[in-house]
Amino acid sequence: AQSVDQPDAHVTLYEGASLELRCSYSYSAAPYLFWYVQYPGQSLQFLLKYITGDAVVKGTKGFEAEFRKSNSSFNLKKSPAHWSDSAKYFCALEGSNTDKVVFGTGTRLQVSP
Amino acid sequence: EAAVTQSPRSKVAVTGGKVTLSCHQTNNHDYMYWYRQDTGHGLRLIHYSYVADSTEKGDIPDGYKASRPSQENFSLILELASLSQTAVYFCASSPGHSDYTFGSGTRLLVI
Repeated sequence: AQSVDQPDAHVTLYEGASLELRCSYSYSAAPYLFWYVQYPGQSLQFLLKYITGDAVVKGTKGFEAEFRKSNSSFNLKKSPAHWSDSAKYFCALEGSNTDKVVFGTGTRLQVSP
Repeated sequence: EAAVTQSPRSKVAVTGGKVTLSCHQTNNHDYMYWYRQDTGHGLRLIHYSYVADSTEKGDIPDGYKASRPSQENFSLILELASLSQTAVYFCASSPGHSDYTFGSGTRLLVI
């Protein structure tokens, strides 16, 4: 079975601060990991993915994420945060030997000016 | 531009009625998916397909049917709509083991 946990339902910070959104996963084989962003009233947009290779992957909008096999995490980072980053962020996992993608419950990020 | 188009954008359905949600992609992707999103929750997989004329059950398939008559089209069918099926439904496509392209969503209200 595969699962994704985003332990923080809400994160609030001020513009200019560093943001880190947490994501942990459970999967017995090699995972494919993704981050998506959903702005209010909109659909989900792809940010970045980890398939293999370098543990730090860079994506769109200045975001990056670090894959850590040792603690099964794939945290999303950005510095500095901007008020326009306010949105809901979803971590997702696709097993290397399955067709299904499992999404976390999401973290709502609010960046205050 | 490659895209995923969902119709309708929103719908009000009566309990017990039949609802069909449509999805069309121009990405030439093999995989298509239907997810539902409920307020305060993540996305849950209902049905998916990796080839025309074949569909697979996702994590919450009860009460839903799916149809993939062609590579481009993937429908979600609620034969007997229920109040609990009020949600936002997202269709997505993917080439497989890669990122998704999502549609804009269908907001379904069952009354």
